[in-house]
Amino acid sequence: QQQVKQSPQSLIVQKGGISIINCAYENTAFDYFPWYQQFPGKGPALLIAIRPDVSEKKEGRFTISFNKSAKQFSLHIMDSQPGDSATYFCAATDNRKLIWGLGTSLAVNP
Amino acid sequence: DAGITQSPRHKVTETGTPVTLRCHQTENHRYMYWYRQDPGHGLRLIHYSYGVKDTDKGEVSDGYSVSRSKTEDFLLTLESATSSQTSVYFCAISDLDNSNQPQHFGDGTRLSIL
Repeated sequence: QQQVKQSPQSLIVQKGGISIINCAYENTAFDYFPWYQQFPGKGPALLIAIRPDVSEKKEGRFTISFNKSAKQFSLHIMDSQPGDSATYFCAATDNRKLIWGLGTSLAVNP
Repeated sequence: DAGITQSPRHKVTETGTPVTLRCHQTENHRYMYWYRQDPGHGLRLIHYSYGVKDTDKGEVSDGYSVSRSKTEDFLLTLESATSSQTSVYFCAISDLDNSNQPQHFGDGTRLSIL
């Protein structure tokens, strides 16, 4: 049973558009929600993270929106660029272990 | 980038042979993790370590063992490799005893078992 459900599985966006990836979770004990970005042949790299006592966090073109009551959080990539083409993973922390979503493959067309 | 080196980067071996993957860190982080990544399954935790000689199982630990005799090295061993263990293996490290510390990943080992 997938504890962190991520959607969509793949996403195609035009350059300059907004990319939106959604995640939902069940375990209310999760206390840290990071997003990772992975390029082919590389390990995942931390992109941005949020704690459940914050509803939104923005870093440059990347924003996490967090809805604690709905147990959902999302990643918004503003002004998407071809260099953003990668696989994105949401995750949640459970006792120092990360529980991962299955990933979203993002392609940004030039 | 966090100082994490995984070796080898690629390996092809035969079913039934033992295989050891190495993760070396230069960050002096306490926590180290081994994951496997497979299409349709995302990243799954195999084993992790919270200190020298202190290890615990993850969600897919069957068929794998680990050892950590030094802070900087975390070894993953497949005692008798099977084709189902063909995967990309990632090592990660994390600092402090705060669950809000991010994990930093190495670039992976691509393992093929024929």
